[in-house]
Parts: sequence; structure tokens; C-alpha cells
Amino acid sequence: EIVMTQSPATLSVSPGERATLSCRASQSVSSNLAWYQHKPGQAPRLLIYGTSTRAIGIPARFIGSGSGTEFTLTISSLQSEDFAVYYCQQYNGWPPGGTFGQGTKLEIK
Amino acid sequence: EVQLLESGGGLVQPGGSLRLSCAASGFTFSSHAMSWVRQAPGMGLEWVSGITGSGSTTYYADSVKGRFTISRDNSKNTLYLQMHSLRAEDTALYYCAKEERLNALYGVFDYWGQGTLVTGSS
Repeated sequence: EIVMTQSPATLSVSPGERATLSCRASQSVSSNLAWYQHKPGQAPRLLIYGTSTRAIGIPARFIGSGSGTEFTLTISSLQSEDFAVYYCQQYNGWPPGGTFGQGTKLEIK
Repeated sequence: EVQLLESGGGLVQPGGSLRLSCAASGFTFSSHAMSWVRQAPGMGLEWVSGITGSGSTTYYADSVKGRFTISRDNSKNTLYLQMHSLRAEDTALYYCAKEERLNALYGVFDYWGQGTLVTGSS
């Protein structure tokens, strides 16, 4: 099973600044990488799939990049509603539903 | 508007059984694979099981294979998860999730429900 490792575990950033979240796969996942945003008490929200394709309705400030084993989610000019936990997920092979990283908590500095 | 509403969670003793349901609306249910994803307390997300749009093919994580059964009723737009031989480590918030693409299970989930809580109790 492919293991996904996210860093840092917690990231403190001020509103209006840029946040950079990292995700590493234990083996290549090609471009089959997604990012989700999760707020307490809410359903997870798909942000990015295919490494860099924004889901419907996702603002342009969310930018995904990378390939193979190293991936990055950049959020330019953080808004108050962006503070949440972010998960990366690979969906390249087994298991068919993919595996998730342990999450990065983005908190207000 | 896509809506997914889970139900059926509760308190269950180790070794017990429970059936979760997920009522779907706002999209052509039979055209999309569906999955169950869980989150144990203080932990991250774990994919549990998935089923194709027609229901002909099912998939399970190794941690639940042989104990859980996923199914769907496309006439009722409802997804199910039958859980047997429950263990303490199955305690989690269980989400149903819709596959972004048509028919097959690719692992990209564009809509999720709010979740239903399964709690193991001795």
C-alpha cells in the first residue's frame, strides 16, 4: 500500500499570506493525486484532482503542483474561510479508493 | 444540488452488527460509483469500501474484508454498508462519498455526506 506523508502537521499563517502544504508518496503515483479541505462538523470538500485540476467552484487561489512522489498545494492570499485541515490522497492503484495523508492543519497565526 | 445523507450509526458492542445507509439526491445515482470513507477519533481519513454504479463490482480495504458488505439500491438511490463482527478499531465517523467520474471507481470523491458515527462499546 502506498503511504502518503504530509508536512508540516500544523502550519500557522496570517490572513492574506501564502500557505504551502507538502505531500510525499512512498512510491510514484503519477499525477493521480487529490487534495481535500475538511472543516470540523462539515463534509470534506474536493479541491484539486489530477494533481492540478481545480474541482467545480474552487477559487483560483488554490493551486496544485508536482508529479511522481512530491506534491504541493499552494493557497495564495489566505482567506478566513481557508483555515481547516487539508488532506492529500493518492488514487493510483491499490486500494481502489486510494490512501490519504494524515493531514495538515492550517491555523491562523 | 447533490446531497448525501448518512444514517444508521450508533453504539454497538464488539462483535455486533450495524447497517449504514446513505440516501443520495441531485445526480444520476446509478451512473456513479460510491464509497464509504471513515475517520477514527483524532485520525485521518481511511477509504473502507467502494461499489461501481451498476453494483456489479465491489471493493474493500483489507481491514474490513470479510466483515463488511457494501451494496446499493439504484431504484431507491441508496447506498448501504452492512457491518458485522465489529471491533473497537471500527469506531469512526463514516462518510459516504460520490465518485467524480462516471461508472467506475477511480478514487476521486467530489461530494461527501456529513457522516454517521459508529461507536464501539464494551
